[in-house]
Amino acid sequence: NAGVMQNPRHLVRRRGQEARLRCSPMKGHSHVYWYRQLPEEGLKFMVYLQKENIIDESGMPKERFSAEFPKEGPSILRIQQVVRGDSAAYFCASSPNGVEYGYTFGSGTRLTVV
Amino acid sequence: AQRVTQPEKLLSVFKGAPVELKCNYSYSGSPELFWYVQYSRQRLQLLLRHISRESIKGFTADLNKGETSFHLKKPFAQEEDSAMYYCALIQGAQKLVFGQGTRLTINP
Repeated sequence: NAGVMQNPRHLVRRRGQEARLRCSPMKGHSHVYWYRQLPEEGLKFMVYLQKENIIDESGMPKERFSAEFPKEGPSILRIQQVVRGDSAAYFCASSPNGVEYGYTFGSGTRLTVV
Repeated sequence: AQRVTQPEKLLSVFKGAPVELKCNYSYSGSPELFWYVQYSRQRLQLLLRHISRESIKGFTADLNKGETSFHLKKPFAQEEDSAMYYCALIQGAQKLVFGQGTRLTINP
């Protein structure tokens, strides 16, 4: 089992471009979570998805950010028209049945906006 | 609002000395708490969870509801314990609320 796979590991975008971050959950895991870690801060919840459904997006910024977890393929976190403040580490996690026993995290994608 | 506070951003101890990483929380009800660890250049890993009362790599954590704390302890630190440690609690049904983390350095 390869674990939670995130790619790319590092992503550099110019202001105004789009960033697409991918997350493949562990085999057998149907719950996916995205977290953001700004410099000098802890991880902050963004969104929780199950296949083809957004369950909780209360941590997502209202504009420019979207997430999906299609029936086939990885979960995608999409940031449109990136700004410098979007520079952060974005972590994906998955679980088979919810958070009670903790998640399994990916290695993260470090987004740098220049 | 639920909150997790790790008051120490940095903690440095000598090898063989006891270690205590502090975690305080604010939560109405019975919290479910975790400790995660991130070793250099590795992903965040679950270290232990309050509900299972386990001891992993010599670390233990006891929930103290009176003091709203969940401090992580190890009696004898080892150099390989150097890492970033995060305390977290479950919020609602599916979210984790994380503290800011403590960077632990074990000096030889």
